[in-house]
Amino acid sequence: DTEVTQTPKHLVMGMTNKKSLKCEQHMGHRAMYWYKQKAKKPPELMFVYSYEKLSINESVPSRFSPECPNSSLLNLHLHALQPEDSALYLCASSLEGGLSDTQYFGPGTRLTVL
Amino acid sequence: QQQVKQSPQSLIVQKGGISIINCAYENTAFDYFPWYQQFPGKGPALLIAIRPDVSEKKEGRFTISFNKSAKQFSLHIMDSQPGDSATYFCAASQTSGSRLTFGEGTQLTVNP
Repeated sequence: DTEVTQTPKHLVMGMTNKKSLKCEQHMGHRAMYWYKQKAKKPPELMFVYSYEKLSINESVPSRFSPECPNSSLLNLHLHALQPEDSALYLCASSLEGGLSDTQYFGPGTRLTVL
Repeated sequence: QQQVKQSPQSLIVQKGGISIINCAYENTAFDYFPWYQQFPGKGPALLIAIRPDVSEKKEGRFTISFNKSAKQFSLHIMDSQPGDSATYFCAASQTSGSRLTFGEGTQLTVNP
């Protein structure tokens, strides 16, 4: 099973709301990623967790807060977002985060910030 | 230095034709080159990948050609089908990290 699941599929939130995106994989992968993708653009890396520790933060604004409760779960907590944060948020996982590890992507959460 | 340049931005091919998408990179430290396929409303899915120690890799109708001296690689889709209509992203990464640097994407349309 090479499935990464993400919930919710769609999310609409106001600029003062707090919400969370969830990602889950049961492939035994130890590296998990959050990407942001705007329409007709490639995914942009936001965060990487390796063995449940944050290893890469691509200078993402603090209104995005990642969390990795265990090796199968990855959350992205959202607070005080801006309309320009509207995008498709993709979660991915790979075996260990190394060079030859394939990254498996979930279907994404379509986020709209009003 | 970290960019991967992809062309064309969009491509229309007739069913049965050959689709060719090209990518070029600058960073000589890159040594893993995957291609991802993304359908609307879905996440990207790995299609095929190559390392610089080979010049070509074929999987079914999909072939990557790699030219290390020119720092270029390309995806060829033989006998293109309407079901191949999607956005294709080339990418590159280097041994020391897990960052994928993506190209800008090519929207492929295969007409029936």
